[in-house]
Amino acid sequence: AQRVTQPEKLLSVFKGAPVELKCNYSYSGSPELFWYVQYSRQRLQLLLRHISRESIKGFTADLNKGETSFHLKKPFAQEEDSAMYYCALIDFNKFYFGSGTKLNVKP
Amino acid sequence: DGGITQSPKYLFRKEGQNVTLSCEQNLNHDAMYWYRQDPGQGLRLIYYSQIVNDFQKGDIAEGYSVSREKKESFPLTVTSAQKNPTAFYLCASSTASHQPQHFGDGTRLSIL
Repeated sequence: AQRVTQPEKLLSVFKGAPVELKCNYSYSGSPELFWYVQYSRQRLQLLLRHISRESIKGFTADLNKGETSFHLKKPFAQEEDSAMYYCALIDFNKFYFGSGTKLNVKP
Repeated sequence: DGGITQSPKYLFRKEGQNVTLSCEQNLNHDAMYWYRQDPGQGLRLIYYSQIVNDFQKGDIAEGYSVSREKKESFPLTVTSAQKNPTAFYLCASSTASHQPQHFGDGTRLSIL
């Protein structure tokens, strides 16, 4: 069963525009969700986790249990934000990753 | 940078041959994982290990085998039973199984 869905394969925005990368999940109970990012020629790395409720590099993500979503948002995109973004969920000690969204921030 | 080292970066396999991908970590992490990444499909879990001498199958374990004889090492063998082994393989580790994972650079496996 698909636990994490990222509906957009590619998202292109202009520098300074707001960006929202969508993530929907299916899980009964209280999910633990993460966003991972992979910049060009770098390793996949943790961007943020919902239990931390922090903002990393200007990104935030709010868990919406009613809509089963964990969308990643940034009010003003920068060119250096261009990367692959993966949403992930933990279920019984296993991580489930979405298929990823490629964010392209144009100058 | 250090942390998790995967080798080789590129690997070629002949039909009917077993190959082993190396994953070593110096982070003193208990948990280690192997993922397979195919275009448009994200990461899929092959095997994971929460502690030395123990490992469990992930969602796509068929055709793969692992061992966890040492805390720092978690090699993955792609056997001849894996009919579609061409993919990008990622190794990860974490302090515990519910904690965020640290990833290696990956190994790209291709069939000759």
